[in-house]
Amino acid sequence: KNEVEQSPQNLTAQEGEFITINCSYSVGISALHWLQQHPGGGIVSLFMLSSGKKKHGRLIATINIQEKHSSLHITASHPRDSAVYICALSLGSARQLTFGSGTQLTVLP
Amino acid sequence: DAGITQSPRHKVTETGTPVTLRCHQTENHRYMYWYRQDPGHGLRLIHYSYGVKDTDKGEVSDGYSVSRSKTEDFLLTLESATSSQTSVYFCAISVYNSPLHFGNGTRLTVT
Repeated sequence: KNEVEQSPQNLTAQEGEFITINCSYSVGISALHWLQQHPGGGIVSLFMLSSGKKKHGRLIATINIQEKHSSLHITASHPRDSAVYICALSLGSARQLTFGSGTQLTVLP
Repeated sequence: DAGITQSPRHKVTETGTPVTLRCHQTENHRYMYWYRQDPGHGLRLIHYSYGVKDTDKGEVSDGYSVSRSKTEDFLLTLESATSSQTSVYFCAISVYNSPLHFGNGTRLTVT
C-alpha cells in the first residue's frame, strides 16, 4: 500500500528555475513534513505543516488538507539545492512517520 | 538545536556477528526512532521508543532488538548480522509540534 506518493521521482532543472515537488497522500494525518537529504549526508527537516503555507528563504511549502496534497516550491533554484526531498506523514499518537520515496533534484549551473 | 549523535558512523562486520548501534540525545525527548534507508525503499521504521523501557516494533523489526534504559540513549542491536541488514541506519527524535531531528546516520556493511 502506498499511503504517500511523491512526484516527480527525478527532476533536473537549470539554475534560477522555479521548482515544484508534489506529495499526495490517502490517509488522515496530524502533520506533514518535508525533509532534505544531500548526497551522503544526513536528513534535515525543512518544514512541518498541518495547514496553510510556510516559507523559509527560497523554500515554500503548502498543504491542502481537503485535497490531501502538499507541494514544496523552490524559487530561484541553485546547484546547492541539489538533494533528495522527502515528504513524510505524521500518523498516530506515537508520532510515527510514513515516508515518501523521495524526489531526486539536480540543479545544473 | 536538538543534540542527537549516532555511533559508530561506519561499521563493517561479518555475517553472524552481533552489532549494536547507539543513538544519544541531549534534549530529554520522549520519542526516539530507528529507521533504515535502502535504495528503492526509502526510510522504514525498525523500532521506536516512547519512554524508558517502553519500545515497540516498526514495519521492519525482524532481526533487530532495541533497548532504552536511559532517556538519552536508544540502542539498536542486530543479534546476528546478515547481508540483508547492510544499510544506512538513522536515529530520530520527535518533539511535539516541532520538526523531526535526525542523527547523521550509521553506514553498516555486513560481509
